[in-house]
Amino acid sequence: DAGVTQSPTHLIKTRGQQVTLRCSPISGHKSVSWYQQVLGQGPQFIFQYYEKEERGRGNFPDRFSARQFPNYSSELNVNALLLGDSALYLCASSLGTPEAFFGQGTRLTVV
Amino acid sequence: GENVEQHPSTLSVQEGDSAVIKCTYSDSASNYFPWYKQELGKRPQLIIDIRSNVGEKKDQRIAVTLNKTAKHFSLHITETQPEDSAVYFCAANNGNQFYFGTGTSLTVIP
Repeated sequence: DAGVTQSPTHLIKTRGQQVTLRCSPISGHKSVSWYQQVLGQGPQFIFQYYEKEERGRGNFPDRFSARQFPNYSSELNVNALLLGDSALYLCASSLGTPEAFFGQGTRLTVV
Repeated sequence: GENVEQHPSTLSVQEGDSAVIKCTYSDSASNYFPWYKQELGKRPQLIIDIRSNVGEKKDQRIAVTLNKTAKHFSLHITETQPEDSAVYFCAANNGNQFYFGTGTSLTVIP
């Protein structure tokens, strides 16, 4: 029984670079959300996609973008990386009901 | 928007004792309240949840209570075990997105 899978698990980037993170939801789940978790804090909402359409966006700059593909997988892109973007990026999938299940996350370090 | 506050930030209990973590929320439109357990370096795992039409829910050693009038909800863990040690997050969903608390680091001392 495959859960939410994210890739890569760890990533080191230089300031100013761009990064793409990937997420595959649980089979049958059509909704994917992205969260940023800074060390010692709770996850912060970035985006939600349902049926390939953006359903919500958190308080993040335009450097953050995302999309959802026909197979419901999703990508999160971050441009012009800043040191403050260093965090654990979590993807959560759901059937469209409130229950959300998280992937293991991508640990992004910006140096 | 919603604001979720969580207390305490750290909690230490002796094995076998109970642990209680409390959260408050501000948006009366919030209607779904999950609790997640996150062990070091691992994903947040949904351990229990409650909807706004229910006042209490139990699952073995864990329970959640909700007071809609006061806008607060609590996680109760009874007969704590060392493997309960982790960071626990509460969250509120107002139909648009989840808002998370800042987490409680629970340590169960054997």
